[in-house]
Amino acid sequence: AQSVTQPDIHITVSEGASLELRCNYSYGATPYLFWYVQSPGQGLQLLLKYFSGDTLVQGIKGFEAEFKRSQSSFNLRKPSVHWSDAAEYFCAVGLINTGTASKLTFGTGTRLQVTL
Amino acid sequence: DGGITQSPKYLFRKEGQNVTLSCEQNLNHDAMYWYRQDPGQGLRLIYYSQIVNDFQKGDIAEGYSVSREKKESFPLTVTSAQKNPTAFYLCATSRETDTQYFGPGTRLTVL
Repeated sequence: AQSVTQPDIHITVSEGASLELRCNYSYGATPYLFWYVQSPGQGLQLLLKYFSGDTLVQGIKGFEAEFKRSQSSFNLRKPSVHWSDAAEYFCAVGLINTGTASKLTFGTGTRLQVTL
Repeated sequence: DGGITQSPKYLFRKEGQNVTLSCEQNLNHDAMYWYRQDPGQGLRLIYYSQIVNDFQKGDIAEGYSVSREKKESFPLTVTSAQKNPTAFYLCATSRETDTQYFGPGTRLTVL
């Protein structure tokens, strides 16, 4: 069975500093990979996704992520964090070729705190 | 205005009651999903539906039921058999094997 690990439960960075959130997955097939962000009490918003092609993907709000097959990783990065980036971030892995439904497995999330 | 709506935003249930959470979408997506979110556990799949009148159990279906009578609607009933229903419930939709988009969620609390 597939699994997703986000090893950092909580990260604190200063505004303007760079950010990297780690995500490792265990999968027997070619995965779909996603990063979502969630503000308190809200739903999840898609930041970016990787299906195929260029392994460095750009997303919204200045985020990017790099797929490294050899390391089974899909880490999220941002060169300069803004106070509004404080939220919880979820990495997710999806199955390909399952008909019309895409079943996702989520990591347990990383809570980002930004200090001014 | 396109999107996914969930209602109510907050829901309180007494012990032994069934409650139904609403999820409606006007994105014309075929697939719909229900997730449960607990602190520190990420999201866990309860049920999903690929087409009207068809749905499958996810990883934690016990104590829950769903229906899919219309493409736009996928209500979730939390039954009295669910022993620990207090959680944040999220509905999502997708078009084929594509990205899932999430609604704003319903917070259910058992009194």
